[in-house]
Amino acid sequence: AQSVTQLDSQVPVFEEAPVELRCNYSSSVSVYLFWYVQYPNQGLQLLLKYLSGSTLVKGINGFEAEFNKSQTSFHLRKPSVHISDTAEYFCAVRGGGNKLTFGTGTQLKVEL
Amino acid sequence: EAGVAQSPRYKIIEKRQSVAFWCNPISGHATLYWYQQILGQGPKLLIQFQNNGVVDDSQLPKDRFSAERLKGVDSTLKIQPAKLEDSAVYLCASSPPGGGPTKDGYTFGSGTRLTVV
Repeated sequence: AQSVTQLDSQVPVFEEAPVELRCNYSSSVSVYLFWYVQYPNQGLQLLLKYLSGSTLVKGINGFEAEFNKSQTSFHLRKPSVHISDTAEYFCAVRGGGNKLTFGTGTQLKVEL
Repeated sequence: EAGVAQSPRYKIIEKRQSVAFWCNPISGHATLYWYQQILGQGPKLLIQFQNNGVVDDSQLPKDRFSAERLKGVDSTLKIQPAKLEDSAVYLCASSPPGGGPTKDGYTFGSGTRLTVV
């Protein structure tokens, strides 16, 4: 079975500061990991995904994530956040049958 | 390219009433997914269709929820009767033939927010 844990429910950060959103996973099959962003009253938008290869994955809007197999982690980072990055971020793992299992989400609040 | 269309955007009903949500996937997308997102939680897959056949409905509460995709295009999710705990955002997603979350094109709609009072 697959599961995802996002330990931080909320992360406040000042604009132009760096941020890291944490994600730990558990999977009994090949690991495919994702980060999605959800703006208010909108659907989910893919930020980036790890399927194989380089453990450092670059995504849209300046975000990147690093797959760490030994620590079963896939943390999301951005070196300098903007006010427009305020949103909810979901980590997800793909299981059998293309089924996505999501974490509970992290609310990123960027303050001036 | 048009996205995944969902309607209505918002719905408020009383408990024990019935409600239906509609999803029109991206043209040509063979696979359609319905997710339930309860406030404070991540989305949970309710049902997955491949064309008009059900691939996975293991997490669909079948005593009150039903879904259909009769012509392999748009889909309807119904709740009857609704309970307070059904208050959530219902998201629809679709993907191209042979696709899925690992492939390009896996796209979510904006969702229907249901409030049961």
